[in-house]
Amino acid sequence: DSGVTQTPKHLITATGQRVTLRCSPRSGDLSVYWYQQSLDQGLQFLIQYYNGEERAKGNILERFSAQQFPDLHSELNLSSLELGDSALYFCASSASGGGQPQHFGDGTRLSIL
Amino acid sequence: GQQLNQSPQSMFIQEGEDVSMNCTSSSIFNTWLWYKQDPGEGPVLLIALYKAGELTSNGRLTAQFGITRKDSFLNISASIPSDVGIYFCAGQDNNDMRFGAGTRLTVKP
Repeated sequence: DSGVTQTPKHLITATGQRVTLRCSPRSGDLSVYWYQQSLDQGLQFLIQYYNGEERAKGNILERFSAQQFPDLHSELNLSSLELGDSALYFCASSASGGGQPQHFGDGTRLSIL
Repeated sequence: GQQLNQSPQSMFIQEGEDVSMNCTSSSIFNTWLWYKQDPGEGPVLLIALYKAGELTSNGRLTAQFGITRKDSFLNISASIPSDVGIYFCAGQDNNDMRFGAGTRLTVKP
């Protein structure tokens, strides 16, 4: 058990819709990272937050946004969903802002119909 | 974004054999990481490398940070059935992180 909790585990929705994925980091970790894993693109880093502030940005689309709340949980918002957004979305956490994602959640599988 | 070149894509080996996989990039990275992912789970960090030329072990796993900072390899010695899974390399430079496509390892008892 990594200590990182992601909800929901599965999400099925339609094109054009908006969804919110939630992540609770491992106890004591201040950094949260979001990743997308798809069959054709592999693992892609989306964004990192550290103690409530955006720390790094990767290949995150403008239709996607994230935030980290004072209690350190994070949400990833995906809007105007397209078929190509179907993927596994992972959250990871680490203790510091400059380190590496050490503890990954089990992911949210998003299916767009 | 450009991903790393990881090879081989898949490996089928007998239990007890040694395994080697590698990752190359056209870009320089400050950190190389190796992860393992089991079905239905998130990746687990195996080894982190922070210095060119560094050789680090974690049990039966050994990884090296290439001298050019553009490559890394992972060796697994005396493989066992629980080594089955997908192994990913990742290169990190400041706030950018790129992943390889993964090496799918199958271990036959």
